[in-house]
Formats: sequence, C-alpha cells, structure tokens
Amino acid sequence: LAKTTQPISMDSYEGQEVNITCSHNNIATNDYITWYQQFPSQGPRFIIQGYKTKVTNEVASLFIPADRKSSTLSLPRVSLSDTAVYYCLGTTGGFKTIFGAGTRLFVKA
Amino acid sequence: DADVTQTPRNRITKTGKRIMLECSQTKGHDRMYWYRQDPGLGLRLIYYSFDVKDINKGEISDGYSVSRQAQAKFSLSLESAIPNQTALYFCATSDSWGGLEQYFGPGTRLTVT
Repeated sequence: LAKTTQPISMDSYEGQEVNITCSHNNIATNDYITWYQQFPSQGPRFIIQGYKTKVTNEVASLFIPADRKSSTLSLPRVSLSDTAVYYCLGTTGGFKTIFGAGTRLFVKA
Repeated sequence: DADVTQTPRNRITKTGKRIMLECSQTKGHDRMYWYRQDPGLGLRLIYYSFDVKDINKGEISDGYSVSRQAQAKFSLSLESAIPNQTALYFCATSDSWGGLEQYFGPGTRLTVT
C-alpha cells in the first residue's frame, strides 16, 4: 500500500479554490488514489477517486500527473461547510486501506 | 434509514469488562471493516472481513476480536477493556468489486475508565 504524505493543516476563505496536495512516492501500479472527507464525530465520506490524469465530479477535481507520485485534490469555491479533515489514500481493490493523519482544512468567512 | 448503523453510539465501561460493538449494513456489501480513531489522528484498521468466512487482522488487532454473524452484521469485541482503548470506533463496508469506496457508519464513542 502507498504511504501518503499531506500537509497537516490549511486555511482558506470562503469562495476561494483550495488545492490539497498529497505525496505518494511508492504507489503501486494497481493502486488508485482515493480522497475522503471527515467532519468531527462523523465517519469519513468518499469524495473522489482516480488512477491518472484528471477526474471531476460534482464535489471536487482530482489531478494525478503521469508519474503518479503525487495527486492534488481541488475544491472549487469553498464554503464554511467544507471545513473538515481530508484524507488521501492509496487503495487497492481487495486489500486493507491505511488512513494517515489527513489535512485539516479550515475555511474562514 | 442509514445504510450502515452502529450500536451503541456511546458507551462508558470499566477496565476489565468485556464489551461488544455491533455494526449492521443494508447495502448488500460483502466486505466489512472495523477502525478506531484517536483524537487528532487518522483511522487505524483493526479487522476486516471479505465475506462471512474470511476474517483478517488489520494494523492493531491485539486486544480485539470480531465476529461476522451474517453478510450484514460484523461485531467487534474488547475481551478485557483497558483505558487506552478509549477511542472512536467506526465500521465500514464496501462491495466486492474493487472495494475501493468504503461507506462508514456514524461511529461509537467508547470510554474505558
């Protein structure tokens, strides 16, 4: 499983685009990159997943360069309700997952 | 109704007591997981099960045991609770195709005094 490294925390203001970068230098060929969001006292919630290039859904975009050693979660026009912890994981179907400490995003008014 | 439910939601118990946390899911998923989360930290995997007859240890299984009573039910037991098992416990499920997206329950806050 890929070991991932993320910034411990980030601050932003409402309406800004937020980019959270995750480093995963030892990612395996069959690993996907998955991002989860967690609010206090709640279980993590799946946000987005990708293998390479760019993936976009109604919540976020995920950019993965060709070497796949990093990825960037992009949250467009954040609001106060986006304040949460964001986890980047390397996941392989059928195997156990490892959550790191995540990135605490704090959105200010 | 929630797809993944956990009972109890909060529990206070004493050192040395046996306690069971229960998880049920209505998603029809084969795979189920138990995690613990300590304040300010990420989730650590305790046990996972790919089907009723397939149970595997995770990162931190010592002091815990599990039972997969049915596809929809996965219980976590603390045989003899100790204070450093005070944590937030989450159950999760995923389907057998890929298993890449996990669906989490609301968590059980356990305090061992």
